[in-house]
Amino acid sequence: DSGVTQTPKHLITATGQRVTLRCSPRSGDLSVYWYQQSLDQGLQFLIQYYNGEERAKGNILERFSAQQFPDLHSELNLSSLELGDSALYFCASSGREDYGYTFGSGTRLTVV
Amino acid sequence: AQSVAQPEDQVNVAEGNPLTVKCTYSVSGNPYLFWYVQYPNRGLQFLLKYITGDNLVKGSYGFEAEFNKSQTSFHLKKPSALVSDSALYFCAVRDRNGGYQKVTFGTGTKLQVIP
Repeated sequence: DSGVTQTPKHLITATGQRVTLRCSPRSGDLSVYWYQQSLDQGLQFLIQYYNGEERAKGNILERFSAQQFPDLHSELNLSSLELGDSALYFCASSGREDYGYTFGSGTRLTVV
Repeated sequence: AQSVAQPEDQVNVAEGNPLTVKCTYSVSGNPYLFWYVQYPNRGLQFLLKYITGDNLVKGSYGFEAEFNKSQTSFHLKKPSALVSDSALYFCAVRDRNGGYQKVTFGTGTKLQVIP
């Protein structure tokens, strides 16, 4: 157990639907990062939050949004889902700036 | 902008032989460098990091990596490969002067250790 908790582990939904992925960071970590991993595009950075504020944005689609709550958990909202959104979505957290990230086990999203 | 290149999509090595997984990076300042491993259907696991000091960094599971500033490389090595080392390996970099700048990951190298 890495200390980063992601739910659900698996999600199957239809095109056009909306889903919410949840992440609880490791205790004490203020930064949360979201990544998308698909077979043909590797690990793509989506967005970063630090202590409730958006800190950096990557290749995140307008149909996707995220937030970090006062208790530091984060949610990634994916709407108007398309088949191409099927992927593994990882959350990671970090504490001190000279450490790497601690990753959760991911949410596998399948859009049918 | 910072970037990482892993030039090999896949590396095949016989069990017991030494292995090398290559990584080069580009940052405007001095780097923090990382290696992660991903087993099938699992999240990424931290292997090792270079922050400062000795250029040879030792990490988990017998892996090590050598920081070479002149060649901007951070290759991952292991003296004797195990079948259980077969996985996807990611190199990552962050500019230490970048404040809260995110870590940039390479595209990953699949390591296949052949029995």
